[in-house]
Amino acid sequence: DSGVTQTPKHLITATGQRVTLRCSPRSGDLSVYWYQQSLDQGLQFLIQYYNGEERAKGNILERFSAQQFPDLHSELNLSSLELGDSALYFCASSVGGRENYGYTFGSGTRLTVV
Amino acid sequence: SQQGEEDPQALSIQEGENATMNCSYKTSINNLQWYRQNSGRGLVHLILIRSNEREKHSGRLRVTLDTSKKSSSLLITASRAADTASYFCATDRGSNFGNEKLTFGTGTRLTIIP
Repeated sequence: DSGVTQTPKHLITATGQRVTLRCSPRSGDLSVYWYQQSLDQGLQFLIQYYNGEERAKGNILERFSAQQFPDLHSELNLSSLELGDSALYFCASSVGGRENYGYTFGSGTRLTVV
Repeated sequence: SQQGEEDPQALSIQEGENATMNCSYKTSINNLQWYRQNSGRGLVHLILIRSNEREKHSGRLRVTLDTSKKSSSLLITASRAADTASYFCATDRGSNFGNEKLTFGTGTRLTIIP
């Protein structure tokens, strides 16, 4: 157990639907990062939150949104799902600050859009 | 976009042999990190090397960094079947608070043949 908890582990849904992925960071970590991993795109950075505030945005589609709550858990919302959104979605956490000393990754959510 | 490019994309060696993977990146960095991913699982942090370091060891792992060439290598000595995984380099480019997200390379798929 890495200390980062992601739920659900698997999700199968239809095109056009909306899903929410949840992440609880490792105790003491203030930064949460979301990544998408697909076979053809590799690991793509989506978005980062630090202590409840959005800090950095990557290749995140407008159909996707995220937030970090006061208890530091984070949710990634994916809407109007398309077949191409099928991927592994990872959450990672770190202490946060000026330098990154390493992520702790969750085990991921495998999303299948049918 | 990918900051790092790993080389080779795939590598198969006999158990007991050494495995070397290379990573090239494009911009200046604070540090470079290597991660391992077993199939479909979350990434695990292996080792971090800072921009002012040239070599670092951790158990059977040796990492080198050449900032003039913007490249790094990961050497796994005396490989074991359990080392079969994908290996990713990741760079921390940020010097501003909150801009410490990691950018991952494309990965090397390592297969250890028993």
